[in-house]
Amino acid sequence: KNEVEQSPQNLTAQEGEFITINCSYSVGISALHWLQQHPGGGIVSLFMLSSGKKKHGRLIATINIQEKHSSLHITASHPRDSAVYICAARVGNEKLTFGTGTRLTIIP
Amino acid sequence: KAGVTQTPRYLIKTRGQQVTLSCSPISGHRSVSWYQQTPGQGLQFLFEYFSETQRNKGNFPGRFSGRQFSNSRSEMNVSTLELGDSALYLCASSGQGARDTQYFGPGTRLTVL
Repeated sequence: KNEVEQSPQNLTAQEGEFITINCSYSVGISALHWLQQHPGGGIVSLFMLSSGKKKHGRLIATINIQEKHSSLHITASHPRDSAVYICAARVGNEKLTFGTGTRLTIIP
Repeated sequence: KAGVTQTPRYLIKTRGQQVTLSCSPISGHRSVSWYQQTPGQGLQFLFEYFSETQRNKGNFPGRFSGRQFSNSRSEMNVSTLELGDSALYLCASSGQGARDTQYFGPGTRLTVL
């Protein structure tokens, strides 16, 4: 079993819909990263959080340390949000352990 | 500030050869981490260098090695290449490592024939 699990693996939605991607982890962590990867490979760091909630534009990330769970929300989704979203947990001696990613497709 | 750069962007090698990949971090960043991404295994941590010292290491065989220079530029080397080493190799730089926001380079796509 992976230390970091994401769901769903694939998500297709209509433009404008509210999107939620979930990330669960099985070990104690000190921080959780949300990353975005577009076709072609480039990865952008969206959030790093260790408690509570962070917001950037239409993106919101939350984390519940007690429940070992984090969510990434996208409001008013747009086709340009189509990408793979990856959560990564900082575990133990500070290396990052990655989830398998959620492939998001937003249809105009 | 210029972003993280990686060279080369694409590389084709044959089994048994060795390869060296290079990563130049964002100016002022002292931490460089290397990751391997494959369709089957996803993203996996290889190692992290901080101020020329290897600070963390993932679960990869000894064929995978790296180093960091005094200007924070980093190289990773893979010896005796295997078909399974075909992957996208990404490096990321940050001020302090995994406790900071990671800035990723565009990656080097390695194909082993």
